[in-house]
Parts: sequence; structure tokens; C-alpha cells
Amino acid sequence: DIQLTQSPSFLSASVGDRVTITCRASQGISSYLAWYQQKPGKAPKLLIYAASTLQSGVPSTFSGSGSGTEFTLTISSLQPEDFATYYCQQVNSYPITFGPGTKVDIK
Amino acid sequence: EVQLLESGGGLVQPGGSLRLSCAASGFTFSNYVMSWVRQAPGKGLEWVSAISASAGGGSTYYADSVKGRFIISRDNSKNTLYLQMNSLRAEDTAVYYCARKGSVRADDYWGQGTLVTVSS
Repeated sequence: DIQLTQSPSFLSASVGDRVTITCRASQGISSYLAWYQQKPGKAPKLLIYAASTLQSGVPSTFSGSGSGTEFTLTISSLQPEDFATYYCQQVNSYPITFGPGTKVDIK
Repeated sequence: EVQLLESGGGLVQPGGSLRLSCAASGFTFSNYVMSWVRQAPGKGLEWVSAISASAGGGSTYYADSVKGRFIISRDNSKNTLYLQMNSLRAEDTAVYYCARKGSVRADDYWGQGTLVTVSS
């Protein structure tokens, strides 16, 4: 099975900050990586698929990059509504796996 | 508008069974791979199972943690996805989400989730 790690697991940031979250895969997954945002009590929301493609309706402050085993999610200017938990997901092969999550909190 | 609506969750005793349903609307259900993902209280997301688009659910996939106990199926004539959960354990307690697998295999639409609690 492909394992995903995320760093950091928690980060505290201010509105307007640039934030970067890293996701590493235990083996190469090409660009088969997605990023999700989840707020408490809500279903996850797809932000990025194919490592770098922005899902329709997602603000352009979000961007993704990477391929192979290392990927990043960047929020260029953190907005109040962006405080949430972020998960990466590999969809290269079954079983599909998620990273453990990164909680972005208000400083 | 794409909508996914889960139902069937509830309280069940260890060793019991439960069947979850996910009613889909707003898209051609039979064209899409569908998945179940769960989230235990206060924990992260865990992929559970997926099923191919074809009628009769040609190919099915399971996480090791549920293999042999859970069965995913679909009825394309009813636009409904199912998850039959047997031999339930306390560690199966979670909110269960159904999701549509869209562009490049990512889960682009999710239901609101249904809570399954396994406890005596």
C-alpha cells in the first residue's frame, strides 16, 4: 500500500500569510494526487486534482505542484474561510490512501 | 445540481450488520466510479471501498480493514450506491461519506455523511 505523510501536521498562521503544506508518498504516484479541505462537521471539498489542476470554483489563491513522491499545496494569501484541515489523497492505485491531515489554525 | 444523499446509519451492536445507501441525482450515475470514505470521531479520512461504473458493479475494491466484512454494490436503475456492513466492530464507528469519482480519479462530489455507531 502507498503511504502518505503530510507536514506540518498543524500550523498557526495569520490572514494574508502564504502557507505551504507538503505531502510525500512512499512510492511514485506520478501526478495522481488530490487535495481536499475539510471544515468541522462538513464533508471534504476537492481543491486540487492531478497534483496541480484547480477544481472549478476554487479560488486561485490555492495552487498545487509536484509529481512522483513529493507534492505541495500552497495558499498564497490565507483568508478567514481557509482555516480548516487539509488532506492529500493518492489515487494512483488501490487501496486509495489519504494523508493524516494538516490543521491550519488562526494565529 | 449534483447531489449525494446517504442514509441508513445508526446505532448497532458489535457483530451486527447495517446497510448504507447513497441516492445520487443531478448526473448520469451509471457513468461514474463511486466510493465510500469514512471518518472516525476526531480522526482523519479513511478510504473504505470503491466500485466501477458498469451495471452490476463489475470491479470492486476494499480497504484491508473492511475486506471480507463489507460489500459495496450499486443499482444503476435506481441511481443508488450501497454499502453492506457485516460483523461490525467498535472501530467501524465513523461518519460514512459516499463520493463520486470525477476528473483524474479525484472525489469531486461528496454526500453529507451518515453516522454509524457500533456499541453495546
